Amino acid sequence: DTGVSQNPRHKITKRGQNVTFRCDPISEHNRLYWYRQTLGQGPEFLTYFQNEAQLEKSRLLSDRFSAERPKGSFSTLEIQRTEQGDSAMYLCASSPGTAGEKLFFGSGTQLSVL
Amino acid sequence: GQNIDQPTEMTATEGAIVQINCTYQTSGFNGLFWYQQHAGEAPTFLSYNVLDGLEEKGRFSSFLSRSKGYSYLLLKELQMKDSASYLCAVRDTGAGSYQLTFGKGTKLSVIP
Repeated sequence: DTGVSQNPRHKITKRGQNVTFRCDPISEHNRLYWYRQTLGQGPEFLTYFQNEAQLEKSRLLSDRFSAERPKGSFSTLEIQRTEQGDSAMYLCASSPGTAGEKLFFGSGTQLSVL
Repeated sequence: GQNIDQPTEMTATEGAIVQINCTYQTSGFNGLFWYQQHAGEAPTFLSYNVLDGLEEKGRFSSFLSRSKGYSYLLLKELQMKDSASYLCAVRDTGAGSYQLTFGKGTKLSVIP
């Protein structure tokens, strides 16, 4: 069990550029979540996958955001035409799909939009 | 929707006991979680309550009262390494029953 892995750890980009983040969940976990966290705030839910199906998306997730989990394993989160307000820590979490399940978080990708 | 409130900051002395409160208002309830998050790191799971009462795990305990919409996290024998943010999170029973909704977190500073 290597835990949830996220890449890159840090990303600096210019406003208007596209960025893509990758998350590798714990291998036997079928549920995968993306959260966003800004300084001094708790994580905010963005979207959730069960296997390859994206079952829920937050109203926070604008049309510039898209997430995929093509084979039910790793996931990618893409932000198009980045804005300065997108600067945040993007956290991925996975869970096994059992009652009372807890989420296991990755270390996150810190995005800075200049 | 959900509303979760917890104090923004707390300070406590090494070796002491501290209680971090969390109140929530939800349309449904399917469990309350506490996570610890050190600066720049991922949140890590501490405790889970779904029924009323106290759950104890080493130096950490968590209490839940569903009728009051209230929980607390109790940390005993505080150590310097306990300085971190403590996040209260609630799982709903509705369509979004798989996601957790987090409070803003309580930043705990442990001083010598």
